[in-house]
Amino acid sequence: GAGVSQSPSNKVTEKGKDVELRCDPISGHTALYWYRQSLGQGLEFLIYFQGNSAPDKSGLPSDRFSAERTGGSVSTLTIQRTQQEDSAVYLCASSQSRGWTDTQYFGPGTRLTVL
Amino acid sequence: AQKVTQAQTEISVVEKEDVTLDCVYETRDTTYYLFWYKQPPSGELVFLIRRNSFDEQNEISGRYSWNFQKSTSSFNFTITASQVVDSAVYFCALIFTGGGNKLTFGTGTQLKVEL
Repeated sequence: GAGVSQSPSNKVTEKGKDVELRCDPISGHTALYWYRQSLGQGLEFLIYFQGNSAPDKSGLPSDRFSAERTGGSVSTLTIQRTQQEDSAVYLCASSQSRGWTDTQYFGPGTRLTVL
Repeated sequence: AQKVTQAQTEISVVEKEDVTLDCVYETRDTTYYLFWYKQPPSGELVFLIRRNSFDEQNEISGRYSWNFQKSTSSFNFTITASQVVDSAVYFCALIFTGGGNKLTFGTGTQLKVEL
């Protein structure tokens, strides 16, 4: 079946602009995660959704970052007033159920470049 | 604190050589899961294997094998008869009872397999 999909694959924006990154999880997966991968910080957790709720937002780096999930499916990560330090690859993952032990399957990522 | 250490930043081998990627973890939890993911140049994180803390049985899958030792807090990964297609960054990751549903990743090991 289809894996996790993310769009766009690449996004170049100017400092100060807002961006939206989209994630479409594997069909039937109720849990969805956002991670960020950057040279300096490695792979970092951002936020976790169970259904449409986000019980763990502890990794969001600032209030410029927000995310939502609708219909228990697609999720959007929004970064307002982008800064150069936001440049990174944003990875989305999904897993089958609410269990913390479930394997997370990752999408191809969105490479964000802030000029 | 929960931590995953991959001390090898980069490994270069010649095709057909065996190679072992090291992973050492720290956690106070008695229940946890360990994972290996592969990230080829395309960028997508590909799930390889998961082990729970109660199952120290080592596993072999084709050319891949994993050695989990709780006594040394290690979860090492061996590729036998390496191939050029094995060239990728390999990440070890940990998820534990008290950590919510987020994966804690090591910094990754870049494996280069040359002809």
